[in-house]
Formats: sequence, C-alpha cells, structure tokens
Amino acid sequence: GQSLEQPSEVTAVEGAIVQINCTYQTSGFYGLSWYQQHDGGAPTFLSYNALDGLEETGRFSSFLSRSDSYGYLLLQELQMKDSASYFCAVRDPRAAGNKLTFGGGTRVLVKP
Amino acid sequence: GAVVSQHPSRVICKSGTSVKIECRSLDFQATTMFWYRQFPKQSLMLMATSNEGSKATYEQGVEKDKFLINHASLTLSTLTVTSAHPEDSSFYICSANRAGNTIYFGEGSWLTVV
Repeated sequence: GQSLEQPSEVTAVEGAIVQINCTYQTSGFYGLSWYQQHDGGAPTFLSYNALDGLEETGRFSSFLSRSDSYGYLLLQELQMKDSASYFCAVRDPRAAGNKLTFGGGTRVLVKP
Repeated sequence: GAVVSQHPSRVICKSGTSVKIECRSLDFQATTMFWYRQFPKQSLMLMATSNEGSKATYEQGVEKDKFLINHASLTLSTLTVTSAHPEDSSFYICSANRAGNTIYFGEGSWLTVV
C-alpha cells in the first residue's frame, strides 16, 4: 500500500520560511506531488517531483530524495494568503489514470 | 476557468433520502475519474475509481451499494449517496486527469444530512 507522513500543523509569521516534510512508503513510485487547499475549497496543484532534486516555482519550491523516500515543500516569503492546508501525494503506479494517495495534510497558519 | 466542474456545490438533504453529485470534465474526455471524501480538518480519502463504461472500483471499506457511481459518458461521472445519514455529511470531491499527468479537481460538494 501507500502511506505518507507529514506534520499536522505549522505556524509562522509573514515573511518567514516554512518547510513541510513528507516521508512516504509506497509499493511503487511515480513521483511526489504537492497540493494546497484553502478551507472550504478544492485542492490546487502546486508542484510535482519525479526525479531527485529541487523544483522551484516562484515562492514555493519542492524537493525530492527518492533514496530517502522523502520530500519537502518550501514556502518562502510567507504571505497571509498562504494560510491553508498542504498535502503531499503519490500516484499509485498500479492503477489506471491518476489515483492519488494523500498525506494527512499540514495546516499552515501565517500570523501577521 | 474550471476544467472539472462539480454540482451541486452545497446540498442539504434529509436522512434516508438519496442525493446525486455530478462531476464533469469540461473540455476533455476522462475515461477515469476519482471520487474522494474529506471530513473537516482531515485528508482526502479515495472512495472509488469511476471507469467509463464499466463498474467502479471501490476502495476497501467503502460500501458500493451506498455510494453508487455511474460513469456513463467520457465527460460525466455521478456519485449517488443512497439512504443518506448524518454521518455521511462530508466534503465530496472528484478528480480527472487530462492527457498526460495533469490532475484536475472539481470544486467539491458539501453534503449535509439532517
């Protein structure tokens, strides 16, 4: 099966940097994705890492180490609007389409 | 704009009744769609895989007779919660993937059973 672990909550101030770690155990691996979800809304895609290394997209970066079964999402120059839940997810390589298994989610609270 | 549309966004129904939620891919065909359920402050839990033209594949612990899934066309999957009970109140969300690995989620549907 697939399981992903991430911290449940992180609090930081505006302008700070937050790193959300994700460790996973999977029976196969097609890459690690990150999603943002604001309260009451749908998840929105942030980034995807299939290979080791850092992917940078504006203020957000994502890192993957396949040998360590570990990745992280880095949120820089935090803004109030970044207060949301962040989920790591892996795709099940045995399944058709893109069947995702999500981590428990990390709730990020940004304070002034 | 939205690539995957869900309807209704919010629904309140009485205990014992059934409610249908629709998930549409707006400008692409999706042979496979996925239905998730999310309780407040929890993660998204996959309920089932909706397969166009064939039976849905349900995750362990999900009652297929209670959560009926129909994927009659390449752009529409429906989830019907039958004989709804208050514990079925949740956020239901679908996803579909366009060509390649891009996954799109619907806007989600809040179900409240009273």
